[in-house]
Amino acid sequence: SQTIHQWPATLVQPVGSPLSLECTVEGTSNPNLYWYRQAAGRGLQLLFYSVGIGQISSEVPQNLSASRPQDRQFILSSKKLLLSDSGFYLCAGENGSRVQYFGAGTRLSVL
Amino acid sequence: AQSVTQPDIHITVSEGASLELRCNYSYGATPYLFWYVQSPGQGLQLLLKYFSGDTLVQGIKGFEAEFKRSQSSFNLRKPSVHWSDAAEYFCAVVLGSGNTGKLIFGQGTTLQVKP
Repeated sequence: SQTIHQWPATLVQPVGSPLSLECTVEGTSNPNLYWYRQAAGRGLQLLFYSVGIGQISSEVPQNLSASRPQDRQFILSSKKLLLSDSGFYLCAGENGSRVQYFGAGTRLSVL
Repeated sequence: AQSVTQPDIHITVSEGASLELRCNYSYGATPYLFWYVQSPGQGLQLLLKYFSGDTLVQGIKGFEAEFKRSQSSFNLRKPSVHWSDAAEYFCAVVLGSGNTGKLIFGQGTTLQVKP
């Protein structure tokens, strides 16, 4: 079965600083990959998904971007963080079975 | 638009009591349905899924869920709750055809278990 690794687990960043969150997948090849955000007290919102290297689809307009430089690597970035970017970010992978497996998440606090 | 509704934001049950968490979806076709559980500060763990076939599905940790097409529901149940079941529970539906499956989540239900 596949395993999703995310790091860092916790991150505190000042407003206006850049961001890079990394997600890697183990145990499967050519997975579909997803970034979700969970704001405090709210459900999960899909931010980006990728069906292959260099292929990124954005679900909501925002201050973030995503990249997939390798088959099993998915990166979430920002050039300048906003306060509203605070939240819990989850990466998920899916191997075509329609079942998504999630990483442990990154708690981002923008101050 | 497709959506998933979990009517109960918080539920408190006593340990050993039965549990039912409600989930309703709005989707034109028969969806792929999921229940996930999230412990504080953790990622999501899949409890069970429904794709087709038997409408009563069994999952991990003693949970089960029943798909009712006529009610557009996929309620999660457990006969006897344990203190370790305290967590947040998310119902979700996969949208999309082809080779992507975008999950649409409900807002979640927080389960508190009284000793």
